Amino acid sequence: GQQVMQIPQYQHVQEGEDFTTYCNSSTTLSNIQWYKQRPGGHPVFLIQLVKSGEVKKQKRLTFQFGEAKKNSSLHITATQTTDVGTYFCAIKRSNTGKLIFGQGTTLQVKP
Amino acid sequence: SQTIHQWPATLVQPVGSPLSLECTVEGTSNPNLYWYRQAAGRGLQLLFYSVGIGQISSEVPQNLSASRPQDRQFILSSKKLLLSDSGFYLCAWSGQGGNNEQFFGPGTRLTVL
Repeated sequence: GQQVMQIPQYQHVQEGEDFTTYCNSSTTLSNIQWYKQRPGGHPVFLIQLVKSGEVKKQKRLTFQFGEAKKNSSLHITATQTTDVGTYFCAIKRSNTGKLIFGQGTTLQVKP
Repeated sequence: SQTIHQWPATLVQPVGSPLSLECTVEGTSNPNLYWYRQAAGRGLQLLFYSVGIGQISSEVPQNLSASRPQDRQFILSSKKLLLSDSGFYLCAWSGQGGNNEQFFGPGTRLTVL
């Protein structure tokens, strides 16, 4: 069935360093969504990418959708302690409203 | 605006006891509803999916069941809990149609002892 691989599983950075998480699929995607889950909290929708090669920015976060629509990345510039949490990508299962979530990348930021 | 409620927030239950977790959504009609389970430090596993009242799709065979008695109410149940049922249970909703994002409730942290 459809799957999405997300790497790395964990990332520890010093505050101020950059961070990137990647999602890869073997099939062409209609869209990809990104969520953030703070420790002890619930996932919160960040953004959806739809177009090939799309790049969207939210302050220090940059989201990219690959030209072939098979991969995506989330890049955080100059991390802050408020960026701590687990970042999930999610893809839509064919012909349904269901999402398939990646395993997530847990970000730790040392002050 | 739309809101989603889950209760209880935390629950400690003995093995073999029944379970009922409730999720309600306000401010929207005919939402798609979802139950997920998240083991500690792990990803989200979709358990059940509903597109309307009384319509439940089960994703994985398990010790749990779901019901949707009203449009904006989604209930997760078990007759006899197992140790492996421990986890963080999240309810979510999305609008009908293709690319809508999902909105998650605050979750219920269940510990089965």
